[in-house]
Amino acid sequence: EVQLVESGGGLVQPGGSLRLSCAASGFTFSNYWMHWVRQAPGKGLVWVSRIKSDGSSTGYVDSVKGRFTISRDSAKNTLYLQMNSLRAEDTAVYYCARAREGLVLIDYWGQGTLVTVSS
Amino acid sequence: DIVMTQSPDSLAVSLGERATINCKSSQNVLYRSDNKNYLAWYQQKPGQPPKLLIYWASTRESGVPDRFSGSGSGTDFTLTISSLQAEDVAVYYCHQYYSPPQTFGQGTKVEV
Repeated sequence: EVQLVESGGGLVQPGGSLRLSCAASGFTFSNYWMHWVRQAPGKGLVWVSRIKSDGSSTGYVDSVKGRFTISRDSAKNTLYLQMNSLRAEDTAVYYCARAREGLVLIDYWGQGTLVTVSS
Repeated sequence: DIVMTQSPDSLAVSLGERATINCKSSQNVLYRSDNKNYLAWYQQKPGQPPKLLIYWASTRESGVPDRFSGSGSGTDFTLTISSLQAEDVAVYYCHQYYSPPQTFGQGTKVEV
């Protein structure tokens, strides 16, 4: 069974940093693209970032470029999102998501972790 | 960026009736080389992560009831629930995975 378990969310002050983790199990992690998608309270889904199966290629939405970094550790079956220079508008539930093998289509989602940026 | 626009924002449908959600992309999401539309539909119930329903615009994900169907090509797409059940109350999102940044529609809330 595919499982994606996010951790690392919490309350952080504007300008601060946070690192999210996503522990993956139930599939061969190194074969799949992975994504982060966020959802502000009461709002819609926003794709944030993705990383290729071997880590060689990454992509970001413009609003986080230069502030967020996606990475992965296949030895630990873990996906990360390093978030720096956080702003109030980054407040959201952050979902870790897996893509279908060989594609960038998102097919499985974690339960999400809440990040709150506030003073 | 490809902008995805859904209509309506919300709709109320009686149990057993048809629900239709439209999605329009600002650019074509049909990839000529494989003749596939890079368009998916997700269902999100309160307090839950989204769930994949439809991909390639019309391919139903395994385990999804056949009352859910997707259609369309190019820039105009439709999700149809043929006979609404109580468990279908949710927000539905269209999503293009044709080009980065991948983008979602704003969501359509389906109520009874």
